[in-house]
Amino acid sequence: DTAVSQTPKYLVTQMGNDKSIKCEQNLGHDTMYWYKQDSKKFLKIMFSYNNKELIINETVPNRFSPKSPDKAHLNLHINSLELGDSAVYFCASSRWTSGNTIYFGEGSWLTVV
Amino acid sequence: AQSVSQHNHHVILSEAASLELGCNYSYGGTVNLFWYVQYPGQHLQLLLKYFSGDPLVKGIKGFEAEFIKSKFSFNLRKPSVQWSDTAEYFCAVKREYGNKLVFGAGTILRVKS
Repeated sequence: DTAVSQTPKYLVTQMGNDKSIKCEQNLGHDTMYWYKQDSKKFLKIMFSYNNKELIINETVPNRFSPKSPDKAHLNLHINSLELGDSAVYFCASSRWTSGNTIYFGEGSWLTVV
Repeated sequence: AQSVSQHNHHVILSEAASLELGCNYSYGGTVNLFWYVQYPGQHLQLLLKYFSGDPLVKGIKGFEAEFIKSKFSFNLRKPSVQWSDTAEYFCAVKREYGNKLVFGAGTILRVKS
């Protein structure tokens, strides 16, 4: 049973398209995240939601819009895709407590051509 | 703002050699510390974590790390590496009561058989 699952795992799309990546966790966590890993393998947080409320919003273009329909889901929608959006996007989740561990999904490899 | 630095970007070792990967962070308060591993083409997996207590923590696959508060360090060690340890290793830090995990740039370890 996958704890944090993302779909699709691989996505190749053209510039200018709009795409979504879905994420679901079955760990009972109340906090979910999106991280971006760029071509240099550098990992950086993009967003975090706690109980469906946005709590972390790093400097990310407005073309990226997260949506959390419930505590177990956090989807990432990207409008007008650009070449520079090519990266691996990791979903993650944790409990909203001190001493919490953040668990990552398997990643979604997005390639914009 | 928190930051994490990993001293070596690439490390090449022969099997059975000992490993130490450096990690230093900048944050004056209480932190939670993590090492994650990313095998080629795979997602991030938690190797070990430190929240409190014994500063020497043991993780999976024979890895351990030592938290030295005075040096703001959390170095990863393994006495004898195996070919299967070839991967990228990420040190990460967050505030004790925070949920923003800040990653280092990663260290690529290649173990020659």
